[in-house]
Amino acid sequence: GENVEQHPSTLSVQEGDSAVIKCTYSDSASNYFPWYKQELGKGPQLIIDIRSNVGEKKDQRIAVTLNKTAKHFSLHITETQPEDSAVYFCAAINDFGNEKLTFGTGTRLTIIP
Amino acid sequence: DTAVSQTPKYLVTQMGNDKSIKCEQNLGHDTMYWYKQDSKKFLKIMFSYNNKELIINETVPNRFSPKSPDKAHLNLHINSLELGDSAVYFCASSLRTSGSHEQFFGPGTRLTVL
Repeated sequence: GENVEQHPSTLSVQEGDSAVIKCTYSDSASNYFPWYKQELGKGPQLIIDIRSNVGEKKDQRIAVTLNKTAKHFSLHITETQPEDSAVYFCAAINDFGNEKLTFGTGTRLTIIP
Repeated sequence: DTAVSQTPKYLVTQMGNDKSIKCEQNLGHDTMYWYKQDSKKFLKIMFSYNNKELIINETVPNRFSPKSPDKAHLNLHINSLELGDSAVYFCASSLRTSGSHEQFFGPGTRLTVL
């Protein structure tokens, strides 16, 4: 089955700086890669996603890049703000398979004012 | 107008008891899920139902039994609770037929087994 590794497990950045979270996946058949943000006491919420036929996608201050050959994908947050503090999860799925979303182990991002 | 709701939000119980967690979604989705999030924040799928039919059943003790009375509800019953069952349980839903894999999560139920 799919295995998703995520690094780092914790990340602290100064407000206004950029943050990068990286994930690797094992199943070359995975073709959809979402990122979820989990705020304290809440359920995860989708913030951005990318399909395997696309190398990069951007939405305002967040962007995701995908390297299919290396089986890597990354989340980039620019101009970080205090409200970006949360736990971020990457995930991978093969939507031609059993459609089970496999999550990474999470990154706790702290923005230092 | 909560999209995915779970009750109760907190559940504290003794070892050996039986308890249920309820989940309802008003998004018109056809697929619902139960996830377990442990103290290290690892998020693991337990079950998934599509149109009331079980489609994902991970390696979960058979003390856990999901029940889907209709497309909008997926309840989780746990028998003979153990200390290791303490975790936050999340319900989620998605619309499989749309081709989107976005899952909408409920607020979670924090289960503490004493």
